[in-house]
Amino acid sequence: EAQVTQNPRYLITVTGKKLTVTCSQNMNHEYMSWYRQDPGLGLRQIYYSMNVEVTDKGDVPEGYKVSRKEKRNFPLILESPSPNQTSLYFCATWGDTQYFGPGTRLTVL
Amino acid sequence: QKEVEQNSGPLSVPEGAIASLNCTYSDRGSQSFFWYRQYSGKSPELIMSIYSNGDKEDGRFTAQLNKASQYVSLLIRDSQPSDSATYLCAVNTGGFKTIFGAGTRLFVKA
Repeated sequence: EAQVTQNPRYLITVTGKKLTVTCSQNMNHEYMSWYRQDPGLGLRQIYYSMNVEVTDKGDVPEGYKVSRKEKRNFPLILESPSPNQTSLYFCATWGDTQYFGPGTRLTVL
Repeated sequence: QKEVEQNSGPLSVPEGAIASLNCTYSDRGSQSFFWYRQYSGKSPELIMSIYSNGDKEDGRFTAQLNKASQYVSLLIRDSQPSDSATYLCAVNTGGFKTIFGAGTRLFVKA
């Protein structure tokens, strides 16, 4: 079964405490992307990756880092989270169609 | 600033009617256009892609693109209560960069 998994699904943390949200896919897709979703703003692209070691900024990359060392994994790193990064985060891949992960709800206090 | 605009709704239609969802975009060079459906508390789901002017039909869904007017729409025929969701319009602005609209909430009344 085609699957995109994200962990954790829910996280409450404090300002400045580094965190990583993992994203893994089992479809051997080259393209992966991270989005955040906020009320009234829709989805906004943070970073995307066209293949291993190839990443590029989306619309709102500030405060985030990514890495793509393996094709299946695309972690999102918040080195010093701030309250304005409180949001719902989705990882997605593109292959025959687009697949989204289940989402990670992050709260930064 | 590249933008994608959608009416936030809610758009309310009776069961069996045609629901018409509209989207405008600012980047005239955009080539790929997408419609997603998102149920409350769930992930978005890609339901239509359209790349050239005109209509593209898939079951009860029809996507319409008019690049000259920078306008893309989604028609849902024979609307069902299960179609009640938020519909997101998205535009690829080059490479793999995608801009989403804020979404239109659709309610289909039984």
